[in-house]
Amino acid sequence: EVQLVESGGGLVKPGGSLRLSCAASGFTFSSYSMNWVRQAPGKGLEWVSSISSSSSYIYYADSVKGRFTISRDNAKNSLYLQMNSLRAEDTAVYYCARYNTATAFDIWGQGTMVTVSS
Amino acid sequence: DIVMTQSPDSLAVSLGERATINCKSSQSVLYSSNNKNYLAWYQQKPGQPPKLLIYWASTRESGVPDRFSGSGSGTDFTLTISSLQAEDVAVYYCQQYYSTPLFTFGPGTKVDIK
Repeated sequence: EVQLVESGGGLVKPGGSLRLSCAASGFTFSSYSMNWVRQAPGKGLEWVSSISSSSSYIYYADSVKGRFTISRDNAKNSLYLQMNSLRAEDTAVYYCARYNTATAFDIWGQGTMVTVSS
Repeated sequence: DIVMTQSPDSLAVSLGERATINCKSSQSVLYSSNNKNYLAWYQQKPGQPPKLLIYWASTRESGVPDRFSGSGSGTDFTLTISSLQAEDVAVYYCQQYYSTPLFTFGPGTKVDIK
């Protein structure tokens, strides 16, 4: 079964750090670009970051640039998001999603909740 | 960046009736080289992740009921649910993937039963 499972969310104080993980299974992880997308409580979807299949190309939304770092380990079929200098406005459910050139974000994880609060 | 807008913000439709959601992009998402519109539609039910319904503006993802259809080209797109079912209550988002990887989503349209 094709699956993405996120972990690592939790409660963190403003200015703190958190590392999210996304474990992939059921497909050739190393062949796909991967993304993080977040959704603040009661709000819409916001693309956060993208990494190409071989990590050669990395992109960030302006809202997280300089604070978040995306990475992947193809040997472990895993995607990561290191989040530093967290702010209250980073509070959201964070989803990892597989990008397919033809079909856009065709596989999504269940999400992991990040709450930034003192 | 390409800005996506959707209308209406929400709508309530009787069971079995048609629901129509509009999506507009601030610039064309049509690639002239392959004549494909890089526009996708997602359905998100409460407490669940988004689910891909439609890609290339009009191609239904495998397993998606044929009451869901997408149309449009360039900057104007429509998602139609031909006969609303109770399980279709959700928020629907459009997304452009033309300006990869700067993906942008529309703000969403909430569909309820009247």
